[in-house]
Amino acid sequence: DQQVKQNSPSLSVQEGRISILNCDYTNSMFDYFLWYKKYPAEGPTFLISISSIKDKNEDGRFTVFLNKSAKHLSLHIVPSQPGDSAVYFCAASAYNNDMRFGAGTRLTVKP
Amino acid sequence: NAGVMQNPRHLVRRRGQEARLRCSPVKGHSHVYWYRQLPEEGLKFMVYLQKENIIDESGMPKERFSAEFPKEGPSILRIQQVVRGDSAAYFCASSSTGGETQYFGPGTRLLVL
Repeated sequence: DQQVKQNSPSLSVQEGRISILNCDYTNSMFDYFLWYKKYPAEGPTFLISISSIKDKNEDGRFTVFLNKSAKHLSLHIVPSQPGDSAVYFCAASAYNNDMRFGAGTRLTVKP
Repeated sequence: NAGVMQNPRHLVRRRGQEARLRCSPVKGHSHVYWYRQLPEEGLKFMVYLQKENIIDESGMPKERFSAEFPKEGPSILRIQQVVRGDSAAYFCASSSTGGETQYFGPGTRLLVL
């Protein structure tokens, strides 16, 4: 059961432009959402999170938006940089602490 | 100020052998999670443990796989009688309390010949 979905396996943007990565979930019990970034041969690195009581959280170039009614969240990176090229995983957890991941979106930022 | 540590980083086993993967959480973290990433796939939850307790093992295959997190020492993911389909990257994560951000280790890449 795919409770967290990232429907775009890849995304390519030009350096300096905005990158928007999307994520949908089906479990209404999820109350905490996270984005992780992963380089090849490394473990995922925590990027940013948002609680279900908020609809936006910003940290530097990264902003996460949450639309609970649509069960959708997105990660905005602006301006995008070549070093942002990686696989981005969306994750969600419910009160019982289990975390479910999406399949990932490979972001390529072209110079 | 070490993060999550996993060893070995790479493990090669022949079919039928046992694989033991170790995870040392961030100091002070008492919650450990194991995930598996198959080639070209995302991370799949396997098991969630607190000290000496398995909280949720709904993602663990019913046979050959087991996990523990003893009072002292690292968490261990054990795979008995490995098969080629077990070849994957296994990631461990830890958190200080349940529901908090999980921090990942570098992973153990298991190759079954």
